[in-house]
Amino acid sequence: SQKIEQNSEALNIQEGKTATLTCNYTNYSPAYLQWYRQDPGRGPVFLLLIRENEKEKRKERLKVTFDTTLKQSLFHITASQPADSATYLCALFYTDNYGQNFVFGPGTRLSVLP
Amino acid sequence: NAGVTQTPKFQVLKTGQSMTLQCAQDMNHEYMSWYRQDPGMGLRLIHYSVGAGITDQGEVPNGYNVSRSTTEDFPLRLLSAAPSQTSVYFCASSYSQGDTEAFFGQGTRLTVV
Repeated sequence: SQKIEQNSEALNIQEGKTATLTCNYTNYSPAYLQWYRQDPGRGPVFLLLIRENEKEKRKERLKVTFDTTLKQSLFHITASQPADSATYLCALFYTDNYGQNFVFGPGTRLSVLP
Repeated sequence: NAGVTQTPKFQVLKTGQSMTLQCAQDMNHEYMSWYRQDPGMGLRLIHYSVGAGITDQGEVPNGYNVSRSTTEDFPLRLLSAAPSQTSVYFCASSYSQGDTEAFFGQGTRLTVV
């Protein structure tokens, strides 16, 4: 089976710094990896998607990298702001012996301190 | 454009009661799914549908039923509520699975007493 881990349950950083969140998986290499943001009491909101043959994707202050050798994706928020405080989820789409799967990690709660 | 609409937003049930959580989307998406979210466990897939008339089980399907009679609607039925079903439930839709973004509803917070 596939296990997805995201770095520490909570991450605190100072405003203006770069936040780096990790998403690690154990077995099956995903064809697609997505990152979502979730605010308290709300549903997740899509941020970025990266394909297995892509190394990096950027969108404004956000950057995602994907290393299939390390079985890891990194999610960076540069020049972080208090408004970036939220829980960030990674999601993997992969195929195993039983078929296709779309699975979410447990999330990392990011707090950007002013 | 309403996106994905879930009702109700909050619900309290007694053990053994049944109810239906409603989910509707207006984006003409084929793929719809139901998740439950519990503290420390992330989103877990209950049931999903790849189109009208087609449904399949996810990771945690026991105690839940679904149907997909139209592209727009994907209701989730709790047959006989148990305290273990206390959770926040999210419905999501997407054009396809995995390679396109998923749109989520606002969630239903269910408490079973």
